Amino acid sequence: SQQGEEDPQALSIQEGENATMNCSYKTSINNLQWYRQNSGRGLVHLILIRSNEREKHSGRLRVTLDTSKKSSSLLITASRAADTASYFCATDFGNFNKFYFGSGTKLNVKP
Amino acid sequence: DTAVSQTPKYLVTQMGNDKSIKCEQNLGHDTMYWYKQDSKKFLKIMFSYNNKELIINETVPNRFSPKSPDKAHLNLHINSLELGDSAVYFCASSQDAGRETQYFGPGTRLLVL
Repeated sequence: SQQGEEDPQALSIQEGENATMNCSYKTSINNLQWYRQNSGRGLVHLILIRSNEREKHSGRLRVTLDTSKKSSSLLITASRAADTASYFCATDFGNFNKFYFGSGTKLNVKP
Repeated sequence: DTAVSQTPKYLVTQMGNDKSIKCEQNLGHDTMYWYKQDSKKFLKIMFSYNNKELIINETVPNRFSPKSPDKAHLNLHINSLELGDSAVYFCASSQDAGRETQYFGPGTRLLVL
């Protein structure tokens, strides 16, 4: 299949700890994005990394991309209870902004 | 000031019925999308319109028909609803078909009984 696949499916940590989620994909991509979905809500864009980039930062978020391994990771540092959500990666390998999402990593940050 | 809005938020209906979901964006974007999120949270693109023109049409049963009356609106009509259509349907928009960031609506939770 073409979609990204997140790993692990679920992650539970204590507030203050770091959370790392991974995404693997199968075909060469143009871009990869990470989105967050709070329970019962729509997805919110977090960060985009292009295929020629290796690392990007946004606040407490750090995204890496390894095109040779066809994988990306999202690191959330100093997690907060408000970070509790599902995190999705979306891969874009074609035209017309066609993104393929996985089923997400469900992060639970315990206060 | 909701950027992407969908109606209704919840929809419970009987098998065989026909229903519509509406989406509106006030971001001035040219491109809109419909996604289906199943019970396992897997999110799959269904359709995309750019300036009222259909540009993405994934393998979706022809019981699903999108309509874009103008670039701020994208509706989804579903005929002869089936149990497997139960899911959350998300509308999204982006600046244009070449821009990457998509803005999602809150979703419409459809339950077919």
